[in-house]
Amino acid sequence: DAKTTQPPSMDCAEGRAANLPCNHSTISGNEYVYWYRQIHSQGPQYIIHGLKNNETNEMASLIITEDRKSSTLILPHATLRDTAVYYCIVRASGGSNYKLTFGKGTLLTVNP
Amino acid sequence: KAGVTQTPRYLIKTRGQQVTLSCSPISGHRSVSWYQQTPGQGLQFLFEYFSETQRNKGNFPGRFSGRQFSNSRSEMNVSTLELGDSALYLCASRPLRSISSTDTQYFGPGTRLTVL
Repeated sequence: DAKTTQPPSMDCAEGRAANLPCNHSTISGNEYVYWYRQIHSQGPQYIIHGLKNNETNEMASLIITEDRKSSTLILPHATLRDTAVYYCIVRASGGSNYKLTFGKGTLLTVNP
Repeated sequence: KAGVTQTPRYLIKTRGQQVTLSCSPISGHRSVSWYQQTPGQGLQFLFEYFSETQRNKGNFPGRFSGRQFSNSRSEMNVSTLELGDSALYLCASRPLRSISSTDTQYFGPGTRLTVL
């Protein structure tokens, strides 16, 4: 699975959009981009995933560049409860060898 | 639909003891994976089970083992505990509709193991 690079930390004001970048320049054609977040000492929470089209759900939007070498997770109206470590993960579709490789992620701090 | 559940949530053991952790996947999910999270090493994959068989294994010593039952519930065992085994142990499940499917893995709340 391709390696990802994320900034170690970011700040965001409550009510504003939080834009979390992820670089995955070595991504292959069959690899998806997944985002999870982990609030302190809880299990990681699935947010969203995509292959090449932009995706949106009730939690967030995922914007993937046309060359697929980077992506941005957007939390449209960040709240204090969105303070967490956000992980960007790339993994291939299908296959029996399924594991998620977590990096260090981005600590997003939402400030009042 | 209920999420992934793990028991117990907290556990304290002493060096040399063994421990068994339990995981119930989301209803209908056939695959269960285990991860270890420590401050130093982060989140690391331990192993995955489906159809009661270990399918994939991370780089951990043989003291770490697991099993899966016919109802997809899983247990993880750590024998001869060491101080470094203190960690948050996370269980995750996915549907596994087919080998070629792109599944999403959902995590439980974890079991916090402290080894004294």
